[in-house]
Amino acid sequence: GDSVTQMEGPVTLSEEAFLTINCTYTATGYPSLFWYVQYPGEGLQLLLKATKADDKGSNKGFEATYRKETTSFHLEKGSVQVSDSAVYFCALGGNTGTASKLTFGTGTRLQVTL
Amino acid sequence: EADIYQTPRYLVIGTGKKITLECSQTMGHDKMYWYQQDPGMELHLIHYSYGVNSTEKGDLSSESTVSRIRTEHFPLTLESARPSHTSQYLCASSARYETTGYTFGSGTRLTVV
Repeated sequence: GDSVTQMEGPVTLSEEAFLTINCTYTATGYPSLFWYVQYPGEGLQLLLKATKADDKGSNKGFEATYRKETTSFHLEKGSVQVSDSAVYFCALGGNTGTASKLTFGTGTRLQVTL
Repeated sequence: EADIYQTPRYLVIGTGKKITLECSQTMGHDKMYWYQQDPGMELHLIHYSYGVNSTEKGDLSSESTVSRIRTEHFPLTLESARPSHTSQYLCASSARYETTGYTFGSGTRLTVV
């Protein structure tokens, strides 16, 4: 079945450092891919998404590229801020046009310090 | 402004009490979901619904029950709360196809004492 593997955290970075959170997936066909962010005490918010191979999703300085050849969707940001401290979830959707549930990774906690 | 609402945000309740966690959405989404989130952050799907009068159990066995008699409303009920039910509960909704992703509520943090 479908699965998502995220790098384990916590990830601790200094402000303005470069961020990469790895995400790889196993799925058949052409799934949609998502990154969600969860700030302390809140629900999950959609951060970015990509629906086909080579698509790049971007939002708030974060980027991720849908790489079908490596089945990856790594999250990157060039310069993190303290306000980026949160838990990040990678998620996999069904093939475009199908009606299946999302599969979530286990989450990666990011802590950014001054 | 949130389009999916969960109440209460926080609840502390005694063992044996019956509780209902409310979830409502204003987006007209067909699909709704309940997740339990453990302290280690992992999300566990406990119930979902693909439309009115449709409910299914999720991947994690749960003693809770749900109902869906209106598109916008998807309450979760625990008939007899126990300390093992202490957790964060997240409600989400989505359109028919998952390419749009899920919209999550802010969650209910339940503590059973």
